[in-house]
Amino acid sequence: AQKVTQAQTEISVVEKEDVTLDCVYETRDTTYYLFWYKQPPSGELVFLIRRNSFDEQNEISGRYSWNFQKSTSSFNFTITASQVVDSAVYFCALSGNSGNTPLVFGKGTRLSVIA
Amino acid sequence: KAGVTQTPRYLIKTRGQQVTLSCSPISGHRSVSWYQQTPGQGLQFLFEYFSETQRNKGNFPGRFSGRQFSNSRSEMNVSTLELGDSALYLCASSPRGLADPSGTGELFFGEGSRLTVL
Repeated sequence: AQKVTQAQTEISVVEKEDVTLDCVYETRDTTYYLFWYKQPPSGELVFLIRRNSFDEQNEISGRYSWNFQKSTSSFNFTITASQVVDSAVYFCALSGNSGNTPLVFGKGTRLSVIA
Repeated sequence: KAGVTQTPRYLIKTRGQQVTLSCSPISGHRSVSWYQQTPGQGLQFLFEYFSETQRNKGNFPGRFSGRQFSNSRSEMNVSTLELGDSALYLCASSPRGLADPSGTGELFFGEGSRLTVL
């Protein structure tokens, strides 16, 4: 069975602080995909990144960076110099069987960035 | 490029009634997935349709059903509504689904239909 755990339910930071959102996953598949989605107050989920299980390279996109470590089954997400617009719920998700199974989402982390 | 459109955005029903929700995917997208989001259970997969065929189904009772039309628009139906069906129902589309090696695997989500069952 696939499982995604986001242990941090809510995080509150002051603007310009760095913040890391944790994600731990479980799967027996050798090929799988990991995702991060952002859900702003409007409700729609916004895709941030997909990572293939064979690609452990860390990725940076502007203020966002992702650290994928298969040894610890983690796929953590860091926002550098957080801004108020980063306030949202962030979901980590997993799709196993080479991506042929539906997304399994974690429970999400609500990030509040205070000005 | 128009995004994923879900209708209605909000609706209130009573127990025992049935409801139909509609999803218009992004033009050219053939895969449509449905998810239920509740505070207690989080985001849970309902089903995925690809070219009018159900490709995957989540662990929901038979009261939850769906279909996809030839123009890729999709509907989901919930019969004999229960209080626990109150949720945000999200639809997502993609060109060919998650495993498409030529794509990013991105799902494009609509803003959802918020169902309240009284």
